[in-house]
Amino acid sequence: AQSVTQLDSQVPVFEEAPVELRCNYSSSVSVYLFWYVQYPNQGLQLLLKYLSGSTLVKGINGFEAEFNKSQTSFHLRKPSVHISDTAEYFCAVSEVSNDYKLSFGAGTTVTVRA
Amino acid sequence: NAGVTQTPKFQVLKTGQSMTLQCAQDMNHEYMSWYRQDPGMGLRLIHYSVGAGITDQGEVPNGYNVSRSTTEDFPLRLLSAAPSQTSVYFCASSQGSVLGPPLHFGNGTRLTVT
Repeated sequence: AQSVTQLDSQVPVFEEAPVELRCNYSSSVSVYLFWYVQYPNQGLQLLLKYLSGSTLVKGINGFEAEFNKSQTSFHLRKPSVHISDTAEYFCAVSEVSNDYKLSFGAGTTVTVRA
Repeated sequence: NAGVTQTPKFQVLKTGQSMTLQCAQDMNHEYMSWYRQDPGMGLRLIHYSVGAGITDQGEVPNGYNVSRSTTEDFPLRLLSAAPSQTSVYFCASSQGSVLGPPLHFGNGTRLTVT
């Protein structure tokens, strides 16, 4: 079975600074990878997903992530954050053979300060 | 287009009481699932369904029952609530494959068991 580790539980960052959220996964088979964002009192929204092809994936709101198979990582980055990026971010993985069953990491809370 | 609708938004139960969390989607999605979200643990899959009449267990199924009599509805039943079931519950749906449209989440049900 697959699993996900998000290496930072909380990331404080100043407005307009860059941010990187780290995600590592483990699986014995090929996987798909995802980043979701959760704003306060809401459900999760998909930021981006890696299925195949280019290892650099661009998502909504200026986010991007890079898939590194050798390091089993899928880190999320944004070059310049806004106050509105304050949210909780979840990395998720699914096996290609059971692609509708996602396993989520514990989440990273990003707090953007002016 | 309502998407995924969960009711109620909040619920307080006493230990031993039963209740049903409702989930409905209007996107004709085949796949529906229930997750619970606990601090520091991310989202964990409780039960899922790949179509009407078909359900299966996820990572943490104990204490919960589901049924899927229609494509639209996927209720989650707690037969005898326990304090360990205090959590935020999310219902999600998708076309059936992560290769297609993303997993759509409801806004959650916050359950407290005293």
